[in-house]
Order: sequence, then C-alpha cells, then structure tokens
Amino acid sequence: DVKVTQSSRYLVKRTGEKVFLECVQDMDHENMFWYRQDPGLGLRLIYFSYDVKMKEKGDIPEGYSVSREKKERFSLILESASTNQTSMYLCASSWGGRAFFGQGTRLTVV
Amino acid sequence: AQSVTQLDSQVPVFEEAPVELRCNYSSSVSVYLFWYVQYPNQGLQLLLKYLSGSTLVESINGFEAEFNKSQTSFHLRKPSVHISDTAEYFCAVSAYSGGGADGLTFGKGTHLIIQP
Repeated sequence: DVKVTQSSRYLVKRTGEKVFLECVQDMDHENMFWYRQDPGLGLRLIYFSYDVKMKEKGDIPEGYSVSREKKERFSLILESASTNQTSMYLCASSWGGRAFFGQGTRLTVV
Repeated sequence: AQSVTQLDSQVPVFEEAPVELRCNYSSSVSVYLFWYVQYPNQGLQLLLKYLSGSTLVESINGFEAEFNKSQTSFHLRKPSVHISDTAEYFCAVSAYSGGGADGLTFGKGTHLIIQP
C-alpha cells in the first residue's frame, strides 16, 4: 500500500514563527499536493508539484511556500505564521488520477 | 477548471435506513470522479472512483455511486446505513491531463450522521 507520512499530527506555533510541515511518500509518485481543510470549506489546494524542484500555486497560496528537493519529500512552509493559518493540513501524492493522503497535521497558531 | 458542489452539508439518517449524498460537478473537459471518506480524527480514504467503463461503481462496504454525464452528477448511495458509517464524505473530480499534475478539486463535504 502507498504510504504518505506527515511528520507531525499536532503542532502549536506562535504568531510570526516560520513553520515547516513535512510530507514523505514511498511510491515514487511524481505528483504531490498540500491542502488545508477547514469546517464548511472542505479541502482547498495550497500548492502542488509535479516534479522535483517544480511547484505550482493552487487556489490559496498566499502566506505559504513549498520545497521539493527530492521526489519523495514535499515541504510546506509558513514564512510567518498567523492565526488565520490555524487549520488541518493534508498532504497527498497521486498517480493515475487517484490521490493518497497522509493523516494530516493539525496546526494551531497562537 | 473544475468545480464540485455537494448540496448538503449535513445528512442525518436513522440506522438501517437508505441514504443518498448528492454531488454535482462542472468541467470543460472529461473528468475522473471520486468519493473520499474521512472518519473522525483520521485522514481521507478513497471510498470509490469512476475512471471509465460502467457508470455504476461500488465500494467494498456497500456504498455505490453512479456517474450521470447528462446531469453532471455522481451521487453516493447506500441502501442501509450502519452507525460506523458516521463520517465526513467528500466528492472530488480530477481532470487527468496524462502529462502533468492531476490535482483533485473537492466539494465542501457532507457530514453523515447516523442516529440509532
């Protein structure tokens, strides 16, 4: 089975901190994605990557950046965390139109 | 670009009753269609998918969905629900280009609440 691993289940960070959310997949998928999930809003795409060192903005990229130095790892970076970035963050990799999700990181910014 | 509309944010049903969760989509190209389920405090899991072929697809736990191209719908149904079906259900579409990223566009989710 495909495994997508997010480094933390829960994180609490202070406003203004730089935050790194890490995601690793073990199936050699080219495509990887970061979503945030908020009640009543569903999942919204932040950034995605279809190859090493390639990145594309999703629907809500403001306040975020990403890094893909190796095929298996896709990092989401909050340059200066703000309270409106408190959310559940979900990483996914995909192949053939099907996505595989990590367990999610619940980030709280205080 | 694609969009997905899940018409109901919450659906309460009694145990052993039938249920239908509605999903409509719009797209200018052909799409793949998915239903994902999220149990409390867990990540998303694929429930079923339509890629091609038969328009009626089934999951191993009794759910089914039918792709209706003319109505641009992919409603999810189960003839008899169980308390363990309580979860958030997300409909999603993907326009697979074959060469680039094939990100999913999600609906806002439907919370299925099973009442004993």
